[in-house]
Amino acid sequence: SAVISQKPSRDICQRGTSLTIQCQVDSQVTMMFWYRQQPGQSLTLIATANQGSEATYESGFVIDKFPISRPNLTFSTLTVSNMSPEDSSIYLCSVGGYPAYNEQFFGPGTRLTVL
Amino acid sequence: GESVGLHLPTLSVQEGDNSIINCAYSNSASDYFIWYKQESGKGPQFIIDIRSNMDKRQGQRVTVLLNKTVKHLSLQIAATQPGDSAVYFCAENNAGNKLTFGGGTRVLVKP
Repeated sequence: SAVISQKPSRDICQRGTSLTIQCQVDSQVTMMFWYRQQPGQSLTLIATANQGSEATYESGFVIDKFPISRPNLTFSTLTVSNMSPEDSSIYLCSVGGYPAYNEQFFGPGTRLTVL
Repeated sequence: GESVGLHLPTLSVQEGDNSIINCAYSNSASDYFIWYKQESGKGPQFIIDIRSNMDKRQGQRVTVLLNKTVKHLSLQIAATQPGDSAVYFCAENNAGNKLTFGGGTRVLVKP
């Protein structure tokens, strides 16, 4: 299985600021994804991070709010822009294969609190 | 996915008993399903998966059952241990490895 690390592991931020979360994988992977997990809830897919092209966003998520970079096959960043308290969540990256439907592995998450 | 806020369904199980966690999925076109375990402060951990051309798959102490007729998935944990205490999520894959997660069930193992 892939080993995934995220930075920072947690942060407390002021409203109106932005935070960039990094996701690093120990091997090259085809697919990388970003999820949000609001307090006490399930996971919701934000976007698919595409290497060398713009990310593909799910309904309800937009690039201006959650810009994503994926410069290579082992690294991606998610920025949470112009934060409000409603953005307080755990943000998780995951990696998976396609089209063999290999299982998706998740990073440890970044716990964000916006004051 | 279903929003359960702070009131996740909870399954209390005596240590050593078997646990059964249920999940209803939404998309009849989904062809791959995964169960994840999430411990406090950690990311989801893969437990077991099953493809839609199967109705049962077994792992170490875990069994997943799939009933496509009623769009139902279950996870059975044999001889539940204290380390099994966690939140369990089912997830369905319906397009290009994008997962849709269920609401989650909290399992509490009583000594």
